[in-house]
Amino acid sequence: DTGVSQNPRHKITKRGQNVTFRCDPISEHNRLYWYRQTLGQGPEFLTYFQNEAQLEKSRLLSDRFSAERPKGSFSTLEIQRTEQGDSAMYLCASSPDRGNYGYTFGSGTRLTVV
Amino acid sequence: AQKVTQAQTEISVVEKEDVTLDCVYETRDTTYYLFWYKQPPSGELVFLIRRNSFDEQNEISGRYSWNFQKSTSSFNFTITASQVVDSAVYFCALISSGSARQLTFGSGTQLTVLP
Repeated sequence: DTGVSQNPRHKITKRGQNVTFRCDPISEHNRLYWYRQTLGQGPEFLTYFQNEAQLEKSRLLSDRFSAERPKGSFSTLEIQRTEQGDSAMYLCASSPDRGNYGYTFGSGTRLTVV
Repeated sequence: AQKVTQAQTEISVVEKEDVTLDCVYETRDTTYYLFWYKQPPSGELVFLIRRNSFDEQNEISGRYSWNFQKSTSSFNFTITASQVVDSAVYFCALISSGSARQLTFGSGTQLTVLP
């Protein structure tokens, strides 16, 4: 297992289009997280899953955002009707269900909305 | 609510100098974990250290050392004999028992090590 994998690495889209990102966590990790990082800032929590259940969502996650984790494996984050303010790095992380918060982050998907 | 403050936005040093990155945190919980991550230009967040609130022992790992002081709510990170490869953005982060496993990050410190 080579860690948390995110695809695509970069995405440029026109305002108003829909985009979808994928995250493949470390296989034995039950928990999966999405964070958003804008330029010059630290990552901000968006949502997290335990297995296939989405247990918490940040108020940053507007109605245009939806995340899924079918079968508790990979996860997708979809943004509908993208806006320029959605331009950011979207980071995925995973961790074991138990233990001392051992997060592993992926390399992120950088979204640019033009 | 919890908060992490990294007051130093950018630091520039010459190779082989020592450098300390400051981190101040706020939380009402008595059980919490503090982290440092490194983010090179590739974008991936690289885990450096985790410290729980009950363990105030300082830690040294090679050229890296961490100073945790609950009395001042600080968790500072020192790189000794810095190298060009240390150039990156460094983030301090916090999880507390009441935060449902949400990491709260500081805004990061851009460290540039000049040859």
